[in-house]
Amino acid sequence: NAGVMQNPRHLVRRRGQEARLRCSPMKGHSHVYWYRQLPEEGLKFMVYLQKENIIDESGMPKERFSAEFPKEGPSILRIQQVVRGDSAAYFCASSQGQAQETQYFGPGTRLLVL
Amino acid sequence: AQTVTQSQPEMSVQEAETVTLSCTYDTSESDYYLFWYKQPPSRQMILVIRQEAYKQQNATENRFSVNFQKAAKSFSLKISDSQLGDAAMYFCAYNRDRGSTLGRLYFGRGTQLTVWP
Repeated sequence: NAGVMQNPRHLVRRRGQEARLRCSPMKGHSHVYWYRQLPEEGLKFMVYLQKENIIDESGMPKERFSAEFPKEGPSILRIQQVVRGDSAAYFCASSQGQAQETQYFGPGTRLLVL
Repeated sequence: AQTVTQSQPEMSVQEAETVTLSCTYDTSESDYYLFWYKQPPSRQMILVIRQEAYKQQNATENRFSVNFQKAAKSFSLKISDSQLGDAAMYFCAYNRDRGSTLGRLYFGRGTQLTVWP
């Protein structure tokens, strides 16, 4: 049973480019969460999605960031016009249900903005 | 807002000894969930243990156990018979049971555990 898959594992972008991060949840999981980890810090919630729905995006910056979880395919976190401050590790987690269900994390995508 | 505090940025322990990592949290809820995650150098987030607030019994997973003090809002992790592979960053996390922010985990800043041979 494969765990949460994220790709790419490492992504380098120049300022102003777009970054697209992908997350495939565990089999049977329909809830996806994205978190960001800045150096020397804990993870910060960004967005919570179910299939074709954004449930809670209150942790996501209003501009340049968007997320989706289509009916078919992985969840995508998209960052437009990246800036150096976007450099971080982005983790995706999935669960079968909501709060009572444990979230299982992917290996993360390390984004470096030059 | 919910906050999770880990007051020990770094801890160290001798192999085979016991170490306790501290975590406190702030909430007005009565039902919630608490977790300890481990992040080794690979940076993969690995679930160590979870605790439901409505359960009085402390959770245990092999060498890992928690001391959950609901009134004090304290949730410490005890690692017994420490092994070199336990060396990692440990994060305490909180999850509400209801409300508009249902689903999101709130993390502490982490405790870096070093295990000496």
